[in-house]
Amino acid sequence: DIQMTQSPSSLSASVGDSVTITCRASQAISNYLNWYQQKPGKAPKFLISSASTLQSGVPSRFSGSGSGTDFTLTINNLQPEDFATYYCQQRYITPPYTFGQGTKLEI
Amino acid sequence: EVQLVESGGGLIQPGGSLRLSCAASGFSFSTSWMHWVRQTPGKGLIWLSRINGDGTSTDYADSVKGRFTISRDNAKNTLYLQMNSLRVDDTSVFHCARADSYGFDAWGQGTLVTVSS
Repeated sequence: DIQMTQSPSSLSASVGDSVTITCRASQAISNYLNWYQQKPGKAPKFLISSASTLQSGVPSRFSGSGSGTDFTLTINNLQPEDFATYYCQQRYITPPYTFGQGTKLEI
Repeated sequence: EVQLVESGGGLIQPGGSLRLSCAASGFSFSTSWMHWVRQTPGKGLIWLSRINGDGTSTDYADSVKGRFTISRDNAKNTLYLQMNSLRVDDTSVFHCARADSYGFDAWGQGTLVTVSS
């Protein structure tokens, strides 16, 4: 199975800041990498597919990049509603669909 | 509006069985791949199982193969997860999710299953 490792596990930032979350795959996965956002008590929300394609309705302050084994999620000009936990997920070899352990973005 | 609502969770003793349901609305359920994903504070999101639109193809994570069974009733727009031989480490919030060609584009809020004596 492909293992996904995110860093950092948690991150503190302020409104208006820019932050970057990293996701590393245990083998090359081309750009078959998704990002999700989850707020406490809520369902995960699909943010980015294919490493860099924003899903409909996702603000442009979110961006994703990477290919192969290393990927990043960047959020510019952090807004209060962006404080959440973010997960990466590979879809290169499935099943199983594997997720990173999550990065909690805190104020 | 796409909606997925899970039910059926609760407290169950080790070795017991439980059936989870996921009621779907707002989309063409019978043509959608559907999945179960579980979530624990310590291990994050863990994919469990998937089923194709007409129910003829299923896959499972190794951790639940032989114990869990995914199924669907397209007439009722409902997805199921039959869980047998439950273990303490199965304690999780269980989400159902719809998959499009790229990822899990709709999720339910989840139902909590607690396995404890």
